[in-house]
Amino acid sequence: GAVVSQHPSWVICKSGTSVKIECRSLDFQATTMFWYRQFPKQSLMLMATSNEGSKATYEQGVEKDKFLINHASLTLSTLTVTSAHPEDSSFYICSARDSGSDYNEQFFGPGTRLTVL
Amino acid sequence: GNSVTQMEGPVTLSEEAFLTINCTYTATGYPSLFWYVQYPGEGLQLLLKATKADDKGSNKGFEATYRKETTSFHLEKGSVQVSDSAVYFCAPRSGENNAGNMLTFGGGTRLMVKP
Repeated sequence: GAVVSQHPSWVICKSGTSVKIECRSLDFQATTMFWYRQFPKQSLMLMATSNEGSKATYEQGVEKDKFLINHASLTLSTLTVTSAHPEDSSFYICSARDSGSDYNEQFFGPGTRLTVL
Repeated sequence: GNSVTQMEGPVTLSEEAFLTINCTYTATGYPSLFWYVQYPGEGLQLLLKATKADDKGSNKGFEATYRKETTSFHLEKGSVQVSDSAVYFCAPRSGENNAGNMLTFGGGTRLMVKP
């Protein structure tokens, strides 16, 4: 099946720094990727939809200047958490839609655990 | 928009017990329905799916039937194993031609299977 990777798998940073998370589709091209946030023991909350070559679409309540998304190629989307604070600590999961698959199936990355001290 | 209601967990079962995790949804049009599983510390994996009414999705002994009349997609397994311990998410997906659309996740149900 299609594989989506994320890097790093976990990161610890100081408050006020910026952190970049990469999401890659390894064996297919993805014009659309999605970024989710998951708090402990809770469901996934969609943050934004990332479209290759255009601006991301953010969900209501998600600060676009705080969570910068870049989808510069068909296999890579990045999420940058700017000026991170402890409340940004969370599990961030990306998914990539394989438009060549049946029913435009989404494949999920393994997640990135961010801890802001 | 779509919404999903899943039974709250945790669900604790003994090995070889029968499992049911209820899921009901509201959605526009005719959604495709998915169950995803998340093992501890990992991302989501597709467990099974059904794309039209009365379809039955199945995988690894798990089954779920698309019930349009009751807008439900309950997950079942006849005999659970310790390795099935995970969080299970029900997710409808709808949109024009099912393209470009988003999954809506339920709150997740944590399953714990004891030896």
